[in-house]
Amino acid sequence: AQSVTQLGSHVSVSEGALVLLRCNYSSSVPPYLFWYVQYPNQGLQLLLKYTTGATLVKGINGFEAEFKKSETSFHLTKPSAHMSDAAEYFCAVIVNTNAGKSTFGDGTTLTVKP
Amino acid sequence: KAGVTQTPRYLIKTRGQQVTLSCSPISGHRSVSWYQQTPGQGLQFLFEYFSETQRNKGNFPGRFSGRQFSNSRSEMNVSTLELGDSALYLCASSLGASGSYEQYFGPGTRLTVT
Repeated sequence: AQSVTQLGSHVSVSEGALVLLRCNYSSSVPPYLFWYVQYPNQGLQLLLKYTTGATLVKGINGFEAEFKKSETSFHLTKPSAHMSDAAEYFCAVIVNTNAGKSTFGDGTTLTVKP
Repeated sequence: KAGVTQTPRYLIKTRGQQVTLSCSPISGHRSVSWYQQTPGQGLQFLFEYFSETQRNKGNFPGRFSGRQFSNSRSEMNVSTLELGDSALYLCASSLGASGSYEQYFGPGTRLTVT
C-alpha cells in the first residue's frame, strides 16, 4: 500500500520569501505524484504532476517540485510567495495498480504574511 | 472543456435519511472517483468507477454506494445518514488510461446531517 506524509501542518512565510512544502511518500511500485491546492469552500486544483521522465516538474502559478527517488520525496517550492498563495496544499500518490485512487497527505496550510 | 460539475453544492439532511449526489466528469474522461473530506480524517477515498464498473473501493460501510452511467456521469448514494457523514464530498475525473492518472476535481457537495 502507498502512503504520503506531509511534514508540517502549518507553514508561515513572508510575502516574497521562499515557499517550501515537504512531502514524502511510500510505495512498493513506481509512483505517480501530484500536488493540489485547495482554497476555502472549493475543490482541489491540480498544481503539478510527476509521472515519468524529468524529475524536476513545473506547475502553475510559479510552483515546481522535484522527485527524489533516493529520498522518497516530492517537495513543493516557489521562489517568491504571493499573498494569493495562502491556501491548503495536498500531496498525493497514485500507482498504476490502483489507478483512480489517490492517497493524500494530511495537507499543509500555507499562510503568507504581508 | 468544461470542468467537473457536482450537484447539489449544499445539502442539509436529517439522520436516517438518504441522499444522492451527482457528478459530471470532464468530457472524454472515463474514470470518476469519489472522496470524503472532513477536518478530522482528511481526504478519504470512497470508490472509483471506470466504464460503468467499480474498479476500486475504499474502507467505507455499505451505506455508501455509487454507480456510473454510460455517459460517464456518476452518482453517489448514502443511506441511513449518520451525523458523522457530514463532510465535503468531492468527485474527481480522469482519463484513467495508463500513464494518465491525474485527477481533476469538482467543487464538491457540502453535506450537513442534523
